[in-house]
Amino acid sequence: KQEVTQIPAALSVPEGENLVLNCSFTDSAIYNLQWFRQDPGKGLTSLLLIQSSQREQTSGRLNASLDKSSGRSTLYIAASQPGDSATYLCAPTGNQFYFGTGTSLTVIP
Amino acid sequence: GAVVSQHPSWVICKSGTSVKIECRSLDFQATTMFWYRQFPKQSLMLMATSNEGSKATYEQGVEKDKFLINHASLTLSTLTVTSAHPEDSSFYICSARDGESRYGYTFGSGTRLTVV
Repeated sequence: KQEVTQIPAALSVPEGENLVLNCSFTDSAIYNLQWFRQDPGKGLTSLLLIQSSQREQTSGRLNASLDKSSGRSTLYIAASQPGDSATYLCAPTGNQFYFGTGTSLTVIP
Repeated sequence: GAVVSQHPSWVICKSGTSVKIECRSLDFQATTMFWYRQFPKQSLMLMATSNEGSKATYEQGVEKDKFLINHASLTLSTLTVTSAHPEDSSFYICSARDGESRYGYTFGSGTRLTVV
């Protein structure tokens, strides 16, 4: 069974800082890896999808990397804004996928 | 793009009653749907995998008789919480995968269940 760990569990940064969220997983037999955002009481929003053959994906201020062989992915957020405050989940996908424990991000104005 | 509609978005029910949550893929056929549960301040946990026309596969620790899953068509899966208790209060989210693609999943907006 896939085990997914995200570090840190919580992060609080001042507005404007660049930050990195980490995700590690135990089973490297994945098709892709996704990063999601979840706002309190709401559903998930897909942020980035990295195919297993890719090394990184970029969308606006977000950049996600994938090192499948070592079971690691990082989400880089540039110039953080208060609106980025949410919980970020990574989900490596094989025949099923399992969510990471999440990183709760608070960006302080 | 692929859209998944989940209904209701929130529901309050009395202890002992049953609640049905629907998950529909609106513009694609979903051969596989997933049901997740999230307790406060915890990550999403996979409850079961629902395959069209066959029995759902439940994760360890999830009671099959309590959480009834039906995937009778390629566009609809339902989760019924039977004889609900306050400890079943949670956020339930479904996800669907396009039968012809392995490139990503689409999520419903979730259902907040409160059992009183």
